[in-house]
Amino acid sequence: DIVMTQSPDSLAVSLGERATINCKSSQSVLYSSNNKNYLVWYQQKPGQPPKRLIYWASTRESGVPDRISGSGSGTDFTLTISSLQAEDVAVYYCQQYYTTPYTFGQGTKLEIK
Amino acid sequence: QVQLVQSGGEMKKPGSSVNVSCKASGGTFSSYAVSWVRQAPGHGPEWMGGVMSMFGVANYAQKFQGRVTIIADESTSTAYMELSSLRSEDTAIYYCATEFAGAGFEHWGQGTLVTVSS
Repeated sequence: DIVMTQSPDSLAVSLGERATINCKSSQSVLYSSNNKNYLVWYQQKPGQPPKRLIYWASTRESGVPDRISGSGSGTDFTLTISSLQAEDVAVYYCQQYYTTPYTFGQGTKLEIK
Repeated sequence: QVQLVQSGGEMKKPGSSVNVSCKASGGTFSSYAVSWVRQAPGHGPEWMGGVMSMFGVANYAQKFQGRVTIIADESTSTAYMELSSLRSEDTAIYYCATEFAGAGFEHWGQGTLVTVSS
């Protein structure tokens, strides 16, 4: 199975400041045939299912604010929130969709400092 | 816009089985895959398996092989997940979610809490 490891486990950032979450996969999730990274980022708030934010590592879901972005390729990925807003407080998960079993990172809890 | 509505919460005894349904509306049911993802209290999501009604063949995580059955009924746009030989560690919220074109899980059901306790 592909192991997804996120860092840090928790993060406290001041409003308006940048938040960066890292995700590392134990093997590459880049499909050479279409040059897409099968890496997805989700946001989960209490009592709600996860919400897809970013897919193919850097494609933003419709309606997701452009202060949220994804980058990276192969085995190393980053989710960046350029200017933290109160509504961004949540747990963030990365997930590989390269091969089954589709696996998630352990999550990063983002809070306001 | 696809909407997924799951069946209600369940309380089960150890050793029994649970069956959770997920009815889809909007979109074309046969055009996307439906997966089941569970989340134990305080833990991250865990993929259990998925199926595409067009093909009818389910794919399961090794961890659940032999205990889980996932089917999709195209006539009613409903997916089902049955988990057998329940134990306390199976206490979790179970979600159905749709996937299309290798872009992860776009639409999610509201979740079904399954509690396993004697």
